[in-house]
Amino acid sequence: GAGVSQSPSNKVTEKGKDVELRCDPISGHTALYWYRQRLGQGLEFLIYFQGNSAPDKSGLPSDRFSAERTGESVSTLTIQRTQQEDSAVYLCASSPDIISYEQYFGPGTRLTVT
Amino acid sequence: EDQVTQSPEALRLQEGESSSLNCSYTVSGLRGLFWYRQDPGKGPEFLFTLYSAGEEKEKERLKATLTKKESFLHITAPKPEDSATYLCAVQAGGSYIPTFGRGTSLIVHP
Repeated sequence: GAGVSQSPSNKVTEKGKDVELRCDPISGHTALYWYRQRLGQGLEFLIYFQGNSAPDKSGLPSDRFSAERTGESVSTLTIQRTQQEDSAVYLCASSPDIISYEQYFGPGTRLTVT
Repeated sequence: EDQVTQSPEALRLQEGESSSLNCSYTVSGLRGLFWYRQDPGKGPEFLFTLYSAGEEKEKERLKATLTKKESFLHITAPKPEDSATYLCAVQAGGSYIPTFGRGTSLIVHP
């Protein structure tokens, strides 16, 4: 079946602009995570959604970052007033549920802020 | 605070030369330790979950083991297609947020 998809695959934006990243999880997966991966660094947790529960936003680095999810489908990560330090690969992962350890990752969106 | 340290940062092997990757961790009540493989330009691919000390899991040429302080990913007779970055992550009891290490970049030369 189809895996997790993300779009765009690459995004180059100017400092100060807003960007929106999209994630389409595997159908039926109730849990969805967003991570940031900087070059040479581990995956940094940003936010997760589980069903209709309130999302855990504890990893969002600033109020410029926000995310939404419509039901158990598509999620969007929005970064407002982008800064150069936001340059990274943004990864989305879905899981059958929040207690399932096996996460299925998308290919990521490479964001470059110039 | 949960911490995960992976070593070495990079490892070069000849085809057929077995070796091990290390993942040391500190976590308050381990819920699970995970290994992922990440190829360049792609998202991580799940390999194993280990839950308790003494547990072992195998998949083809890979074998993961777990103690109370660290996990090893043993690679037996590696092939060039095993070249990738291997990521380790831990999840504490009561948390649904994994903490990832920086990974070990493995290159296997033919």
